[in-house]
Amino acid sequence: DTGVSQNPRHKITKRGQNVTFRCDPISEHNRLYWYRQTLGQGPEFLTYFQNEAQLEKSRLLSDRFSAERPKGSFSTLEIQRTEQGDSAMYLCASSLGSSGASYNSPLHFGNGTRLTVT
Amino acid sequence: GQQLNQSPQSMFIQEGEDVSMNCTSSSIFNTWLWYKQDPGEGPVLLIALYKAGELTSNGRLTAQFGITRKDSFLNISASIPSDVGIYFCAGRAGGTSYGKLTFGQGTILTVHP
Repeated sequence: DTGVSQNPRHKITKRGQNVTFRCDPISEHNRLYWYRQTLGQGPEFLTYFQNEAQLEKSRLLSDRFSAERPKGSFSTLEIQRTEQGDSAMYLCASSLGSSGASYNSPLHFGNGTRLTVT
Repeated sequence: GQQLNQSPQSMFIQEGEDVSMNCTSSSIFNTWLWYKQDPGEGPVLLIALYKAGELTSNGRLTAQFGITRKDSFLNISASIPSDVGIYFCAGRAGGTSYGKLTFGQGTILTVHP
């Protein structure tokens, strides 16, 4: 399967614990995105990377959230001191997009990590 | 966060019927995308639209990029049970917002055999 891969698929944690999710994008895609989706809503943008550079962050991304893409390939999203309000599906997506016709290429999503904070 | 206005919120139809849903925005978008999401899975891309007025088909699906660049619609013809799911529109502005898609709230489609 050469799609976007996310691990783990499910994570249950107690309030106050730290969690880390991993995303492996489609191999030739240089852009990587993180979105959050709560029940009954569409995905909401959190942040995105072009190669290893984090180019945009949403106001939704509080200082408890940090995302990295150290070598421009896989990415991690860490949530520190989790709160019950952090419970959601965390979606990763990737796309082409450095120049020319690929600049506006569509996003391809993984199956997400569902986080439950108890 | 900002979201598009997608309607209807839900639809209950008989197999074989045609379906239409739309999205409107107060902002201009350079790209409109339509996704389908099944329970427990990520959104899957159905159709991408890049030019105002563009009409694009993918099998039984047809989508159009509104001429004002503030709206888009998706039609599904001759629905079948596997069309069940949540359909999302998404828009992308230009300039420094190239990295961000703004999603609608979704249309839940139920197809009765």
